[in-house]
Amino acid sequence: EAQVTQNPRYLITVTGKKLTVTCSQNMNHEYMSWYRQDPGLGLRQIYYSMNVEVTDKGDVPEGYKVSRKEKRNFPLILESPSPNQTSLYFCASRPTPGQGAREQYFGPGTRLTVT
Amino acid sequence: AQTVTQSQPEMSVQEAETVTLSCTYDTSESDYYLFWYKQPPSRQMILVIRQEAYKQQNATENRFSVNFQKAAKSFSLKISDSQLGDAAMYFCAYRNRPSGANSKLTFGKGITLSVRP
Repeated sequence: EAQVTQNPRYLITVTGKKLTVTCSQNMNHEYMSWYRQDPGLGLRQIYYSMNVEVTDKGDVPEGYKVSRKEKRNFPLILESPSPNQTSLYFCASRPTPGQGAREQYFGPGTRLTVT
Repeated sequence: AQTVTQSQPEMSVQEAETVTLSCTYDTSESDYYLFWYKQPPSRQMILVIRQEAYKQQNATENRFSVNFQKAAKSFSLKISDSQLGDAAMYFCAYRNRPSGANSKLTFGKGITLSVRP
């Protein structure tokens, strides 16, 4: 089954404790992206990756890092989480532009709480 | 930069009735895609319908249809014969037609739709 998986689905942590949210897709997609969802703000892009070893900032990258060492994986790293990073996080992927697909596949979301 | 505006935070509809969710957007591009996503309590993002800007014909998917007014930059979603399972948050989203650039989706703030039995 074609899907995007995220782990963990729920995480409660404390300020300053490094954490990683994993994202994996099994569709051989080149493009992957992270969004955060906050009440009244919709979803906003954090980082994206056009391919392996190619990443770039989205609209709200502060406090986050990403890596893309393999095509299927795109982890989101919070080196020193703060309470304002409490949010619902989504990973998404889609094929390379021009390959015909016109939609993005979303993961199930990760609910992160930073106390 | 593109923006998407959903001005109504909440709406309610009687089961079996029709409801229209509004969305406006701003862009200087001429070629783009528009989407409506549904987010039920499970929080999964589900694509409801999409519209290519170069197509004049409004997209339809079963009970869901859109009214795309390109000149007015308006993209509303009509849900016919509303069902209890339609209760969710709905997001309007925009994406530039890809040309090697970031395939970023720009989302509105969302609207919470409740369905009264």
